[in-house]
Amino acid sequence: AQSVTQPDIHITVSEGASLELRCNYSYGATPYLFWYVQSPGQGLQLLLKYFSGDTLVQGIKGFEAEFKRSQSSFNLRKPSVHWSDAAEYFCAVGLRNTGFQKLVFGTGTRLLVSP
Amino acid sequence: DTGVSQDPRHKITKRGQNVTFRCDPISEHNRLYWYRQTLGQGPEFLTYFQNEAQLEKSRLLSDRFSAERPKGSFSTLEIQRTEQGDSAMYLCASSPRPTYRGGSSYEQYFGPGTRLTVT
Repeated sequence: AQSVTQPDIHITVSEGASLELRCNYSYGATPYLFWYVQSPGQGLQLLLKYFSGDTLVQGIKGFEAEFKRSQSSFNLRKPSVHWSDAAEYFCAVGLRNTGFQKLVFGTGTRLLVSP
Repeated sequence: DTGVSQDPRHKITKRGQNVTFRCDPISEHNRLYWYRQTLGQGPEFLTYFQNEAQLEKSRLLSDRFSAERPKGSFSTLEIQRTEQGDSAMYLCASSPRPTYRGGSSYEQYFGPGTRLTVT
């Protein structure tokens, strides 16, 4: 079955430090991959996506992610974290073997930013 | 810029009562999705509409749950005889009609959600 694993439940990063959030997926075909961010009590905002082509994708708010097929990973990175980045981050796989785009999400990583 | 809207944002109900949530997608988006998110978990797919047709339902969607999209615009999700286990955030998302090359048609835009608490 298709699945997404985010091994880190919580991560604390100092403001200005770099960030990497891990995501591994299990899916038989080439996936569509997404990172979403969710602030407390809010819906999800799309940060970036990978469909095909260049495996390093740029997103909003200075985030980037790299697709590594050999590792089944799609890790999210940011070179310098801001206090406003504190939120929950979800990695998702889009299942293209269905007739539509069903998203399977990981359990999320909560990012805490220390001063 | 009008995004996906959901109403109400919060709902507290007693066990056994019926509740109904509404979702208004981004205009001209013909695809609409419902997800459920429980505490500490990622969203889980519930159901999908293309225009007014409900084309997919998750096994999570028990007989007490029903969703409609009568005119291919807004959608409603009704839960009958609510149980405490129904307490969750219910998220709605929409996406545009697919283009020949796919691309942005695979992006789903989420609303703020409706938080349901069953006491």
